[in-house]
This record gives sequence, structure tokens and C-alpha cells, in this order.
Amino acid sequence: AQSVTQLDSQVPVFEEAPVELRCNYSSSVSVYLFWYVQYPNQGLQLLLKYLSGSTLVKGINGFEAEFNKSQTSFHLRKPSVHISDTAEYFCAASGGSYIPTFGRGTSLIVHP
Amino acid sequence: DTGVSQNPRHKITKRGQNVTFRCDPISEHNRLYWYRQTLGQGPEFLTYFQNEAQLEKSRLLSDRFSAERPKGSFSTLEIQRTEQGDSAMYLCASSPIPRSDGYTFGSGTRLTVV
Repeated sequence: AQSVTQLDSQVPVFEEAPVELRCNYSSSVSVYLFWYVQYPNQGLQLLLKYLSGSTLVKGINGFEAEFNKSQTSFHLRKPSVHISDTAEYFCAASGGSYIPTFGRGTSLIVHP
Repeated sequence: DTGVSQNPRHKITKRGQNVTFRCDPISEHNRLYWYRQTLGQGPEFLTYFQNEAQLEKSRLLSDRFSAERPKGSFSTLEIQRTEQGDSAMYLCASSPIPRSDGYTFGSGTRLTVV
């Protein structure tokens, strides 16, 4: 089974600053990678996914992530954050069984 | 199609009571997953169905938990003799097969056992 590590439990940042949320996964022959966002008392919304092909993946709300196979990482980035980006962000990975395993989450806190 | 629907949104129950949650997946999705999420944690896998067959269960799914997906459509998750440790958000997701083309989550059912 996959394992996913999100290295930062909380990331504070000022509005309009860039942000990177880190994610590492356990190595696998084939891996599918995802980032989800969760607002309070809501379910998870898919931000972006890597299935194959280009290692730079663009998602919704201006987010992007880069798949790095040698470092087994899939870090999420946004060049300029807004107050509305304040939420919990989850990285997930699935392998051949197609059962996603989630990290513990990173709380992004955007200050005005 | 309005996505994955979960009912109820909130459930408060007394310890020892039984509860049942329902999940209606996206109609063309063959796979349906149940996850549990406690405060400050990521979702933890409980079980999944491919059509009506329950193919895998996590060790988190004790004997008090049972899930069904009759006719491969909606699914129910029942917890018998609830305990305070069962308090959590229960999330349902669905996806098409065979590709892992993303998983669509419902809004969850928040269970509070008092």
C-alpha cells in the first residue's frame, strides 16, 4: 500500500505571497497522485491530479504541482494566494489497486 | 448528475445505539469508497465496492461496522452499538474504473456519539 507524508502540518502565509505545500509518497511502479482541498465541515474537492505524461500539472484556482519521480515528491504550489485559499489541503496517492491513501493534511492559513 | 450525495449531513446518537448512513454515488461510477476522518487527520480508508461486490475492508472496520451496496447503486454504512470513538466524519467517494481518474467525494456525514 502507498504511504503519503505531508511534511508541514500548518503553513502560514501572507496574502499575495507564493506558497508551496510539500508531499512525499512511497515509491511504487505505478502511482497516481492527487491534491484535494477541504473547507470546514465540507467534503474533499479535487484540485489536480497526476496520472501520466507531463510532470507539471495545473489545477483549479491557480494551483499547480510537479511530479518528481526521483525524489518521490508531488509538491503543490501557487504563485499568489488569496484569503479564500485558507483551508486544509490533502495529498493522496494510489497504485495498482486504485485505493487512494491520504496524508495527514496541511492547514494553509492566509493572513491579510 | 449532482455528484456524490451523502445523508444525513449530521447525526448525533447516544452510545450503544445503531446508526446508518447512505451514499449515492455518481451514477456511471463503478467504484464506491468509504473513508473515516477524525479531527486533524486525513481520511482513512474503510472499505470499497466495485459494483455490488465489497472487495476490500480495512482493519479499521471492526465487526460493529457493515457496509452494503445492493445492485451496485447506493451504499449504506451501518455502525452497531456505537462508541464515543466512532465520532468522526464519514466520507463517501466514487470513481470510474479501470483508470484512477480521480475520486469524487461527497460532503460527508458527521457522527457525534454522546
